[in-house]
Order: sequence, then structure tokens, then C-alpha cells
Amino acid sequence: DIVMTQSPDSLAVSLGERATINCKSSQSVLSSSNNLKYLAWYQQKPGQPPKLLIYWASTRESGVPDRFSGSGSGTDFTLTISSLQAEDVAVYYCQHYYSTPFTFGPGTKVDIK
Amino acid sequence: QVQLQQSGPGLVKPSQTLSLTCAISGDSVSSNSVAWAWIRQSPSRGLEWLGRTYYRSKWFNDYVVSVKSRITFTPDTSKNQFSLQLSSVTPEDTAVYYCARLKNGYCDYWGQGTLVTVSS
Repeated sequence: DIVMTQSPDSLAVSLGERATINCKSSQSVLSSSNNLKYLAWYQQKPGQPPKLLIYWASTRESGVPDRFSGSGSGTDFTLTISSLQAEDVAVYYCQHYYSTPFTFGPGTKVDIK
Repeated sequence: QVQLQQSGPGLVKPSQTLSLTCAISGDSVSSNSVAWAWIRQSPSRGLEWLGRTYYRSKWFNDYVVSVKSRITFTPDTSKNQFSLQLSSVTPEDTAVYYCARLKNGYCDYWGQGTLVTVSS
């Protein structure tokens, strides 16, 4: 199984500042056949299911603000919130969907400093 | 707009079978372009992908190895829903259970979640 790790476990950022979350997969999730990276990012607020933010490592889901962006290589990925807003306080998870089981990272909690 | 509505008991006794249903609106359980998954979340395990069911001329199921001997997904085309059954539950199976639609593998729609507690 592919193991997903995230860093940091939590971070506190001032309103309007940048937040950066890292995700690492134990093996590459880049497909050589289509050059796509099988990596998604989710946001979860208390009492709610996770919400899809990013798929294919860098494609923003419809309706997601453009302050959210994703990037990365075959094993190392980053979610960036360019200008943190109060409504962005949440836990963020990465997930690969390269091969079953489609495992999730442990999550990164983002707070306001 | 796709909506997933979960139903099922919130309390299950140890050794019994956990059963949940996910009713789909806005899509079809037998769609050839998506899959349907169950995911659970607990403080000890985080988000745990349990498996998927999907139709590609016939039905396929993938289950995570850790529960493979105890889990069954059952699609119901007449009611446009799919179900989870997890047998021989223990307190370690206590979690919030989610159903989700998988598009290319990522979860683009989620059910509301069901807290299932395993306790006598």
C-alpha cells in the first residue's frame, strides 16, 4: 500500500498570509502512461465531510477559490493557500488514487495566528 | 447535482454486523464512469478508505485488506443505492462512516456521515 505523510501536523498563519502544507507519498503516484499525478487535496471542517479542493495534484475543483493551489512531483506535493481567510480554518488532507487502497494522509490542521 | 444520503443505525453491539446504506440522487449506481466508496474516520485511524464498488459491464468490488474478510458492498440498482455490511464488529470499528462518489479515483461527492458506535 502507498503510505501518505503530511507536514506539519498543524500550523497557525496570520490572516492574509500564505499557508503551505506538504504531502509525501511512499512511492510515485505519477502515471507514465498519461503523465497525470494521482493526488487530491481535501478540506474538512468540524462536523462536515471532507470537501474536494484539488485533483490531479493541481486542478482546482469547480467553485474552489483561486487562493488554493496545488503543485508537486511524483512523490512530493504541496497545497498552498496564498492569502489565508478566516473560513479556511480546517484540517487539510491529501489522498492518492494511483492504486487501491486509495489512502489518505493524516491531516494538517490550519489555524489563525 | 449529485447527492448522497446515508442511513443506518448509530449503535451496533460487538460481534454483530454493521449495515449502512447510501442513496444516490443525480447519478446512477450503475454508471460506467464513476465508482462508489465507503470511507471511515476515527481519531485513532484518521481517514480510512474501505473500498469501492463499480460497474463496468459487470460489478467489481475492491476492499482494503484490513477488513477484507468482514466487509461486503452491495449495489441496488432498483433503489439506486449501495450498502455496506461489516461483520463481527469490535469497538475498533467505531467511527464516522462516509459514502462517496469516486471520479477517476478522487472523492468528488460525499454523504453526510454516520457515527457508528460499537458498544454493548
